[in-house]
Formats: sequence, structure tokens, C-alpha cells
Amino acid sequence: QQKVQQSPESLSVPEGGMASFNCTSSDRNFQYFWWYRQHSGEGPKALMSIFSDGDKKEGRFTAHLNKASLHVSLHIRDSQPSDSALYFCAASELPGTGSNRLTFGKGTKFSLIP
Amino acid sequence: NAGVIQTPRHKVTGKGQEATLWCEPISGHSAVFWYRQTIVQGLEFLTYFRNQAPIDDSGMPKERFSAQMPNQSHSTLKIQSTQPQDSAVYLCASSLNWGPSYEQYFGPGTRLTVL
Repeated sequence: QQKVQQSPESLSVPEGGMASFNCTSSDRNFQYFWWYRQHSGEGPKALMSIFSDGDKKEGRFTAHLNKASLHVSLHIRDSQPSDSALYFCAASELPGTGSNRLTFGKGTKFSLIP
Repeated sequence: NAGVIQTPRHKVTGKGQEATLWCEPISGHSAVFWYRQTIVQGLEFLTYFRNQAPIDDSGMPKERFSAQMPNQSHSTLKIQSTQPQDSAVYLCASSLNWGPSYEQYFGPGTRLTVL
């Protein structure tokens, strides 16, 4: 079973629109969440992290975490052509579990509708 | 800051040959990670070094894969007797320190194709 599940698999919105990505973990050891973005031919790049319940806003990007349900979301407002990419949710385990590896979801392919 | 450097960017090997992939982490970063990315499996963790010491290799296929970090400026991932299923993009990442709150910075990856 995939420990970090993302939806949707793909998403298209008009330029200037709002994009929403969802992620759910099935493992309560995962308490630290990251959103990464990957453009074609490049490595993933961190967009933002969220470790506490509630919302975190950075510019056009807002992340939301509900630790009780292990659900995390990412919202992008005023979508731009440069936002077209693969978006990954990644989770990290509690400190002291011995590893700082990231466990990634399968990703959401995001593109703008011309 | 050049970021994480990976060489080569592309490598083609024949089945049964050896492949060595190189990673230069960001200077001053104490944690180095290797991941593998395929269309089917997505991004998978392979192994992790902290201050050059191997900490977690739970994602490494045991028989043909090995990783080393002989000094703080580079790490290598070696695949012996490569098989077609090893074809993937191999990504190296580094972070300033260890701990889940530290961002992992990824290199551009090495695309390995096994014929």
C-alpha cells in the first residue's frame, strides 16, 4: 500500500486560476510534510513545508495540514505558465526514528489550459 | 552556489555492465540522499549518509547496488551487472543538517538506460 497517496493524478486550470492538490498519509509516523515541484529535465525543488496543524501561506502558495486525518493540501492561486510541472507531496518521519528519508506520493501532473 | 551536481547526466549501459553515478553535494551540507525515479514506481528512497557515514540503506536492492561517501565532497552509487529494470533517473539530494525540518536539495539526476 502506498504510504503517501496523492490526488488528482492530473490537473489543468486556466491561466490565473486556482489549483488544488491533495495528499493523505496512512502512516501516523509521518508528521512532517513537504511539497516539491519538478519541471521537466530537472530535479524536484521544495516549494514549502508544513509541520503544524492549520494553514501556511507563502506568496501564491497555501498549504494546509490536518494531523488528525493526516491530510495535507496545496493551493496555488493566480496560476502562471511557470507553474506547469509535476507536484509531489513528501512525508518525513518523526525525529528519532533513525532516518530522514522522504516518502513521496506518485505526483500530480499540472498544466495550464491555453 | 552551483547546487547539487550529478554526473554524468545520461548513461547508457549494456545488460550486465557496471554503472557508477557521481554526486557532489552542496558545500557544507552534512546529509546526502539517493533516490530513484521511474514512471511506474515514482520517487523511491535508496540510501542516506550523515557526515559521510551510512545511516539508512533500506531502499537499496541488496545484491547489485552499493553506495559510498569517501569524503564530504562526493558520493557514488554503483550498480553491478545492470539489468533493464535498473533503467531510471537516479537523484542525489543534500541537506544542511539531518532532521525532517531540513529541506533536501536535489540535483538534476542521472538518467540511466540499460539496453
